Amino acid sequence: QKEVEQNSGPLSVPEGAIASLNCTYSDRGSQSFFWYRQYSGKSPELIMFIYSNGDKEDGRFTAQLNKASQYVSLLIRDSQPSDSATYLCAVRGNQGGKLIFGQGTELSVKP
Amino acid sequence: GAGVSQSPSNKVTEKGKDVELRCDPISGHTALYWYRQRLGQGLEFLIYFQGNSAPDKSGLPSDRFSAERTGESVSTLTIQRTQQEDSAVYLCASSFGSRGTDTQYFGPGTRLTVL
Repeated sequence: QKEVEQNSGPLSVPEGAIASLNCTYSDRGSQSFFWYRQYSGKSPELIMFIYSNGDKEDGRFTAQLNKASQYVSLLIRDSQPSDSATYLCAVRGNQGGKLIFGQGTELSVKP
Repeated sequence: GAGVSQSPSNKVTEKGKDVELRCDPISGHTALYWYRQRLGQGLEFLIYFQGNSAPDKSGLPSDRFSAERTGESVSTLTIQRTQQEDSAVYLCASSFGSRGTDTQYFGPGTRLTVL
């Protein structure tokens, strides 16, 4: 079992819809969770992080964390074509330091 | 500097040659990380440095890979006797610290192609 798992996609949604991206992780000791966006040929850029159970909202983005289920998700409301990218879920353990990444989910937002 | 910088941006080498990749972290960032990303894959952790502590080398795939960091500044990742499977984008990141929520900021990467 991979440490961090994501559906590779592609996930296709129409413009204006809600995109839902999911991630599961295997280490119950994981403390913090990050979502990065990566455009083709570019480096990852942070969207948001979450470390407490529940929801965290930032503009059109909402991260959801459920530590009991070892599940973290990212919702993108009012999806735009410019949101088309690969979304990487990353997990950090309780000792800090390195991030463990999933393989990424490719999102395509159709006009 | 304004962000993490890496050089070269592209490197083409022949199998068996050694290569050195350079990373300049954001000024003031004590933690520096190296990751590798193969085509269509997620990021694979290689090594990280935190201040003067011993580096975490747990992700280095073989003894052909090594990295150094001078104080809290520049880092160099060296790959000896390169193989075709080393072809990937090598990404460097830095963060203010290495606590749970310290954000890692990535450089533009070095694309390595081994012929």
